[in-house]
Amino acid sequence: SQKIEQNSEALNIQEGKTATLTCNYTNYSPAYLQWYRQDPGRGPVFLLLIRENEKEKRKERLKVTFDTTLKQSLFHITASQPADSATYLCALPLIYNQGGKLIFGQGTELSVKP
Amino acid sequence: GAVVSQHPSRVICKSGTSVKIECRSLDFQATTMFWYRQFPKQSLMLMATSNEGSKATYEQGVEKDKFLINHASLTLSTLTVTSAHPEDSSFYICSARGVLSNQPQHFGDGTRLSIL
Repeated sequence: SQKIEQNSEALNIQEGKTATLTCNYTNYSPAYLQWYRQDPGRGPVFLLLIRENEKEKRKERLKVTFDTTLKQSLFHITASQPADSATYLCALPLIYNQGGKLIFGQGTELSVKP
Repeated sequence: GAVVSQHPSRVICKSGTSVKIECRSLDFQATTMFWYRQFPKQSLMLMATSNEGSKATYEQGVEKDKFLINHASLTLSTLTVTSAHPEDSSFYICSARGVLSNQPQHFGDGTRLSIL
């Protein structure tokens, strides 16, 4: 069955540094992968979508890579700020893309200290 | 960006009560809406998928008679937790998506349900 793994340990970094979060998956070759941000007590907010034929995608201070050989996506936040503190979720479409259903990783909690 | 409104944000009620949660897409037509459940420090668990005008499809292990879903229009889906019990206490989140299956999902802000 499909599995997604994100680093369950919280990531603590200093303001201004680059945060790098990892998403690994197995038993699957997804056509795309998505990253979401979730704040406590709130719903997730879509950040970026990267397709299997894209190695890298950027949006302002965010950068996502997609290595289909390693079955891994990396999510980078450059020049991190305390406001970037949140839980970040990666999501993949279910196998055979069942109507766009997504399977989510457990998320990595990022804490950016001033 | 796309806006999804979920209401109520918090419900506290007695065991045996039925609770209705609404999910509205405010600025786009949501062909498909999804309902998730999330436990503390855990990921989102998909409960069911609803398409406008048709019956919802439920994930394995989710009781359809317990969690009634109605998607009567392109902007509104409702989840009713029938005869709720303390074990139904959780954070319920809806999301909405447009026509294309590879489009991102836009989430509501969730409903914290507490059954006493």
